[in-house]
Amino acid sequence: GQSLEQPSEVTAVEGAIVQINCTYQTSGFYGLSWYQQHDGGAPTFLSYNALDGLEETGRFSSFLSRSDSYGYLLLQELQMKDSASYFCAVGYSGAGSYQLTFGKGTKLSVIP
Amino acid sequence: KAGVTQTPRYLIKTRGQQVTLSCSPISGHRSVSWYQQTPGQGLQFLFEYFSETQRNKGNFPGRFSGRQFSNSRSEMNVSTLELGDSALYLCASMRRGLDTQYFGPGTRLTVL
Repeated sequence: GQSLEQPSEVTAVEGAIVQINCTYQTSGFYGLSWYQQHDGGAPTFLSYNALDGLEETGRFSSFLSRSDSYGYLLLQELQMKDSASYFCAVGYSGAGSYQLTFGKGTKLSVIP
Repeated sequence: KAGVTQTPRYLIKTRGQQVTLSCSPISGHRSVSWYQQTPGQGLQFLFEYFSETQRNKGNFPGRFSGRQFSNSRSEMNVSTLELGDSALYLCASMRRGLDTQYFGPGTRLTVL
């Protein structure tokens, strides 16, 4: 089966940088995605890594190391509105089609 | 383009009843996935439909079922409701495999 591990909670100061790690175990790996979910809201897509390396989208960056089965989401210049839950999700080939499994999420609290 | 819509947004049922939830994907998206979200458990995959066929299924009991119509709209049904079925049920659509999932706002189901 598939498994993902990410910290349950992280607290960081406004304006700082925070890194949320994700390790996974899966076969037929395609890529690692990150989603953001505010309380009471729907998850929204942040980034996707299929190859090793860093992908940057504004204040958010995501990194993947396929050999280490590891990735992280980096949030820079933290803002209060970044307080949310962040989910990593591994895409893999299973049962003849593409599937997606989510981690349990990391609740990020940004404090003044 | 309109986003993913889900109806109803909130639902209260009693144990033993059944419930049907509806999801309309983004126009042109043929894949619809359903997830159950409970506190601390992340998003647990229920099933995925593509072109009216169930393509993938998660580890949920047979009380959970779904279907997809020719216009890609999808419904999920939960029979003989249990207290533990109280959760946020999210659906997500995507154009094809290896693509971003777009989530609806969810249906908050409370079982009393």
